[in-house]
Amino acid sequence: DSGVTQTPKHLITATGQRVTLRCSPRSGDLSVYWYQQSLDQGLQFLIQYYNGEERAKGNILERFSAQQFPDLHSELNLSSLELGDSALYFCASSAYRDGGTEAFFGQGTRLTVV
Amino acid sequence: GEDVEQSLFLSVREGDSSVINCTYTDSSSTYLYWYKQEPGAGLQLLTYIFSNMDMKQDQRLTVLLNKKDKHLSLRIADTQTGDSAIYFCAGGLGGYSTLTFGKGTMLLVSP
Repeated sequence: DSGVTQTPKHLITATGQRVTLRCSPRSGDLSVYWYQQSLDQGLQFLIQYYNGEERAKGNILERFSAQQFPDLHSELNLSSLELGDSALYFCASSAYRDGGTEAFFGQGTRLTVV
Repeated sequence: GEDVEQSLFLSVREGDSSVINCTYTDSSSTYLYWYKQEPGAGLQLLTYIFSNMDMKQDQRLTVLLNKKDKHLSLRIADTQTGDSAIYFCAGGLGGYSTLTFGKGTMLLVSP
């Protein structure tokens, strides 16, 4: 168990809908990352938050948004869903310790858009 | 940006050593990581190496880094069927930088 909790584990929704994925980082980790894993694209970085502020942005579509709350949990909002958005969405949190950065991943949310 | 390449598939027999290879393009990557993903599961951090190291050993795992060739390898000694999974190589700048992942190598261990 990595200590990163993601809910829900599975989500099935229709095209055009909006969903929210939730992530609770490991205790004490200030930074949260969202990644999308699909068969054709592999693991793609979407967005990163650090202590409530957006820190880095990757290949995140304009239909997607995220935020990190004061209690450090994060939500990824996906709207106007398309079939191609079906993927595994991972959240990770990281801590910088002993001169190294360790990023720990949650179990992921499998999103299926039908 | 960083580009990370891995071979897609490796098949070994139980008890043999496995070597999974990775090449990366960005020489400024400070940390290089190996993650393991079992079916239906998340990514498990196996080990990482700092770019000023050539080798790191952790029980059955040995990481070798050739910084000149930008080549990273993960050796698993005495490979077990439970090691069957997808292994991802990733590079990052350390601190709170993001990680760039390869597409993963599927390791299949047969009895």
